Amino acid sequence: GAGVSQSPSNKVTEKGKDVELRCDPISGHTALYWYRQSLGQGLEFLIYFQGNSAPDKSGLPSDRFSAERTGGSVSTLTIQRTQQEDSAVYLCASSLDKDSYRANYGYTFGSGTRLTVV
Amino acid sequence: GENVEQHPSTLSVQEGDSAVIKCTYSDSASNYFPWYKQELGKGPQLIIDIRSNVGEKKDQRIAVTLNKTAKHFSLHITETQPEDSAVYFCAASYQAGTALIFGKGTTLSVSS
Repeated sequence: GAGVSQSPSNKVTEKGKDVELRCDPISGHTALYWYRQSLGQGLEFLIYFQGNSAPDKSGLPSDRFSAERTGGSVSTLTIQRTQQEDSAVYLCASSLDKDSYRANYGYTFGSGTRLTVV
Repeated sequence: GENVEQHPSTLSVQEGDSAVIKCTYSDSASNYFPWYKQELGKGPQLIIDIRSNVGEKKDQRIAVTLNKTAKHFSLHITETQPEDSAVYFCAASYQAGTALIFGKGTTLSVSS
């Protein structure tokens, strides 16, 4: 597609429920990232997928968070047993493969999913 | 790991004035420093970036400077316009294949 697509744009869920957030990256982009943006905070790195390599999960805040990327394209971020502190905007970004110093590092972000846990 | 500090958190200027946002980073191995602009309800968008082999880069009204010795870089916007009002994020990455680490953002307000 023309850009990074995220769905849903808004999600309200009850505390304790599981949620799935979807990201459709730009076609041909091999790198995919998830970030969390809380009110007044910066962009907190969660997880990074690069081609067929094992994902970098170092930013996931707890074992309630997980993500997968099927077929090197669409990614799903799952939050189990949601808590109120999980309320935030979840942003997905994709970029071209960046094995080369001259490669394009630039990220293209989606508009995010605003998650509210009540 | 890398840590990026960004100042100020808010900045208000009059239309036509200049605006400067500063960031420091902790990992001396970092070599890529982009700046993103986020408008309300949208995802951040890359506006300019600089790599460690250059000290300054300019694109029309925006410029970025890098001081590797001091481990800081800055965004300069000249002749500000109301449409420059947004949240600006700096970021750093120490090598290809690692995720960007972002600062906490600066809310820029340009009043006419």
